[in-house]
Amino acid sequence: DQQVKQNSPSLSVQEGRISILNCDYTNSMFDYFLWYKKYPAEGPTFLISISSIKDKNEDGRFTVFLNKSAKHLSLHIVPSQPGDSAVYFCAASGSSNTGKLIFGQGTTLQVKP
Amino acid sequence: GEEVAQTPKHLVRGEGQKAKLYCAPIKGHSYVFWYQQVLKNEFKFLISFQNENVFDETGMPKERFSAKCLPNSPCSLEIQATKLEDSAVYFCASSQLVANWDTQYFGPGTRLTVL
Repeated sequence: DQQVKQNSPSLSVQEGRISILNCDYTNSMFDYFLWYKKYPAEGPTFLISISSIKDKNEDGRFTVFLNKSAKHLSLHIVPSQPGDSAVYFCAASGSSNTGKLIFGQGTTLQVKP
Repeated sequence: GEEVAQTPKHLVRGEGQKAKLYCAPIKGHSYVFWYQQVLKNEFKFLISFQNENVFDETGMPKERFSAKCLPNSPCSLEIQATKLEDSAVYFCASSQLVANWDTQYFGPGTRLTVL
């Protein structure tokens, strides 16, 4: 049973435009959500996070929105840059209070110059 | 160190052989997590440690897999009698705290190929 889902395997965006990556979850016990970025042959790098008591968190070009009633979160990148091309993983924690992360399948973002 | 270090980078084993992977967490981090990523799919949590104590092992397969974090040594993940399905990239992560809001920093992973 997949508790965190990223239904779009890939996304292609023009440089300078907005990239929107989506993530859905099923477990209402999750209370913290994170986005990680991953380049090939490297480990995931933390990007941005949001607590379930908030609906928005912004850090520079990156904004994460959380809709608890819909169990949906999204990552907005604006403006998108070619260096943003990577695989983005949505992750959730809190169901066990042991810090373990439950990851989605990832979305490959390609930003075209 | 300032980064999570994992060795080896690649490991090839014949079916039935033993595989041992190592992880050195960031200095000062008390928590270590192991994740398995099969075929570029989502990361599956295996086990976590608080210093040398097992903290959460709910993701560990009941057989063949074991892990340790001993004082003054890298943490290790060992797979006895590897199977083809164990082929994956194994990532280690560390954090200072285990609070849900504390960032886990990942190593570059060890790619295990079982032939």
